[in-house]
Amino acid sequence: DAKTTQPNSMESNEEEPVHLPCNHSTISGTDYIHWYRQLPSQGPEYVIHGLTSNVNNRMASLAIAEDRKSSTLILHRATLRDAAVYYCILLPNFGNEKLTFGTGTRLTIIP
Amino acid sequence: SAVISQKPSRDICQRGTSLTIQCQVDSQVTMMFWYRQQPGQSLTLIATANQGSEATYESGFVIDKFPISRPNLTFSTLTVSNMSPEDSSIYLCSAGERATNEKLFFGSGTQLSVL
Repeated sequence: DAKTTQPNSMESNEEEPVHLPCNHSTISGTDYIHWYRQLPSQGPEYVIHGLTSNVNNRMASLAIAEDRKSSTLILHRATLRDAAVYYCILLPNFGNEKLTFGTGTRLTIIP
Repeated sequence: SAVISQKPSRDICQRGTSLTIQCQVDSQVTMMFWYRQQPGQSLTLIATANQGSEATYESGFVIDKFPISRPNLTFSTLTVSNMSPEDSSIYLCSAGERATNEKLFFGSGTQLSVL
């Protein structure tokens, strides 16, 4: 399975944008890029996913590099509630559809 | 969307006993999974719960230790058998239609402590 690499931790100031990077240099052409986050004492929740084009939803934006070897999750205006562990996960379009979690990035929001 | 309810939310058990965790989804779903999250760690997939057939276990997890049932498209159970303190973890249920193109939903977990 293709692997992802994320920084262990990041800090950001409240009400400022946050850019969370993810490297996936061995991504295959049919792998989707998914982001989930886990708030303290909760199960993970879906954030966003994409294949090739940048994606936006009410929670975040996903910017995917042209060669697809990296992606960035963008929180446009961080709030204290966004403090969580963010996981970047690759999922093949066919076959194995299991979410395999890496270590993720622990995001701390500074008031 | 799907709402997942897990019971119990937490329990303290004696070593050598077994605990069954229930996962109820408010709508029919194709896929259900069970995860374990040890203190301070990421999530590890235990198995895929298959409706009407035996669960598919990941490497390092066996049916005798973690028997799983899935009698229908909305319900699954995970049993942690013959518990030891090393089984103290959070156990999470996940469910959804397709993981690839759609989101998966997670319960809030069962925090298990084994004495």
